[in-house]
This record gives sequence, C-alpha cells and structure tokens, in this order.
Amino acid sequence: GNSVTQMEGPVTLSEEAFLTINCTYTATGYPSLFWYVQYPGEGLQLLLKATKADDKGSNKGFEATYRKETTSFHLEKGSVQVSDSAVYFCALSSGYSSASKIIFGSGTRLSIRP
Amino acid sequence: DVKVTQSSRYLVKRTGEKVFLECVQDMDHENMFWYRQDPGLGLRLIYFSYDVKMKEKGDIPEGYSVSREKKERFSLILESASTNQTSMYLCASRPGQDSYGYTFGSGTRLTVV
Repeated sequence: GNSVTQMEGPVTLSEEAFLTINCTYTATGYPSLFWYVQYPGEGLQLLLKATKADDKGSNKGFEATYRKETTSFHLEKGSVQVSDSAVYFCALSSGYSSASKIIFGSGTRLSIRP
Repeated sequence: DVKVTQSSRYLVKRTGEKVFLECVQDMDHENMFWYRQDPGLGLRLIYFSYDVKMKEKGDIPEGYSVSREKKERFSLILESASTNQTSMYLCASRPGQDSYGYTFGSGTRLTVV
C-alpha cells in the first residue's frame, strides 16, 4: 500500500542554518506530494506541493523537488528562522477517485535556537 | 480567504456523555475528513465523506459516528465519550481533484474526564 516515511525528530538547529528534512514514499502510479506545517496549538497548513515528477514546490523560502527515480520529496530551506519552529508533515495522495485520502508521515518536530 | 471552521477550540466532557464536534467549510468542497492526532501516533483517520449523506470508515471508526446532511457541514459524534478519546480532533476538506491538498480547521482539543 501507499506510505510515507520521514526522518524522525526532533531536529534542533541554530538560526540561519540550512535545513533538510528527508521524506521518501511508496505509491502506485503518479502521486501528488505535499508538505504541511503545524504550529503549536493549531491545525495543519499546506506549505507546498508538487504534482508530477521533477516539479519543485516552494513557499516561504522552503523548497521540495519531486524525485520519482528516488521516490523522495525532501524539504529544504537555506536559512531557518526561529519562527520556523513547528512540526512538518510529508504527505501523498494517489487516489483515482474523488474521495482519495491523503497519507501522512509521522511528522518531524523542528526547533530553531536564536 | 477560504476556511474550515471547527466550532470549539477546547472542550471538556464527562465520561458517558454524547459529544458533537462540528466542522463547516465555505469552499464548496466535495470531500470532508475527521482525524485525531495523538503524540507518537501521528494523524489517524476516523471517518470521511465524499458527498452529502455519504460516509466511509477510516482507520479508527470505533466509538465514533458522523453526519453530513449538508455539503458544507460534517459532524463527528462520540456516542458515549471515554477517557481514551481525549485527543486533538482535526477536520479537513478537499475538492475532488487529486492534485489539491486538504484545508484543515484549527482543531478541537477534547478532554474527557
């Protein structure tokens, strides 16, 4: 079945450091891939997405490239800020019906030190 | 700005009570979902609906039911609340196209005492 595996946290970095959160997936067909972010006490927000191979999603300085050959969708940011502290979820959707569910990874907690 | 609104941010209920969690979306989305989120267990799907009056069980439907009488509203019902249903509950909606992600509500933190 479809699944998402992302690196376990917590990840702690200093401000302005480079961030990578690894995500790999298993899916049949050609899934759409997503990164969601959850700030403390809130629901999840869509951060970025990519819907086909070699697409790059980007938002708020974060980027992720859909790599079909390695079945990966790693999240990167060149210079993190304290305000980026949150939990990040990698996710995929590969349904062919309108009720397709999104499969989430377990989440990676990111903490940024000033 | 498009929205998914959950009626309560925090709820405290007693064991055995019938509990209603309400979710409303203003985006005319076909699909709506209820998840619970617990530390170490991630997001677990309880129920979802792809049309009015239609519902499907998710991964952990036991102890829950749902209602979708109107397209914009999807209610989660705890028939007889128990302490192991203390959790963060997240509602989400999504249009029919697979390339679109979910839009989530802010969540309801339910405590059953």
